[in-house]
Amino acid sequence: QQQVKQSPQSLIVQKGGISIINCAYENTAFDYFPWYQQFPGKGPALLIAIRPDVSEKKEGRFTISFNKSAKQFSLHIMDSQPGDSATYFCAATFSGTYKYIFGTGTRLKVLA
Amino acid sequence: GAGVSQSPSNKVTEKGKDVELRCDPISGHTALYWYRQSLGQGLEFLIYFQGNSAPDKSGLPSDRFSAERTGGSVSTLTIQRTQQEDSAVYLCASSRDRGRRDIQYFGAGTRLSVL
Repeated sequence: QQQVKQSPQSLIVQKGGISIINCAYENTAFDYFPWYQQFPGKGPALLIAIRPDVSEKKEGRFTISFNKSAKQFSLHIMDSQPGDSATYFCAATFSGTYKYIFGTGTRLKVLA
Repeated sequence: GAGVSQSPSNKVTEKGKDVELRCDPISGHTALYWYRQSLGQGLEFLIYFQGNSAPDKSGLPSDRFSAERTGGSVSTLTIQRTQQEDSAVYLCASSRDRGRRDIQYFGAGTRLSVL
């Protein structure tokens, strides 16, 4: 029940295309969902985050869509660029804890 | 620099040896976290510090793993009698406080290889 399931494991997208990464959870107590971006040789860095009281959050080309009833959330990268090539992790946490539960990551490659 | 600093960046050791991994958090951050990232796996929580105290050690995989934090700043993760399954990237993160929505800032990690 503490798991966050992430898919796909890897993704190849043409430049200018839309990249979509999906995550699902079981624990309805989760109330904060950050996405982290990790470039090779670097630590993960916060990309964007959402609370379950909103269905969508957009920051530039990055959008989180949240479906509370389905217990799913996804990251959309519009107009994907080669510089977006990285590993993306979704995560979840809930009130009363500091612990993030991370998905297994998606390795994105954007072809030039 | 202003980020989380980890050293060494790479460590190769022989099975059975002890290793120490160091983390320098962002100045003023009271919360510090250690994670392990194995190939094809997500980030696995190991331990959390609030100041010098570790209220949650639940993620440490065995009693060969220990960690301490001194002066509310630098933290050391020690792995005794290393095993090949300990090979992974060990990541440290810090946050301003322990609030779940406080951004966790990660270091670049220490890649540990146990031969």
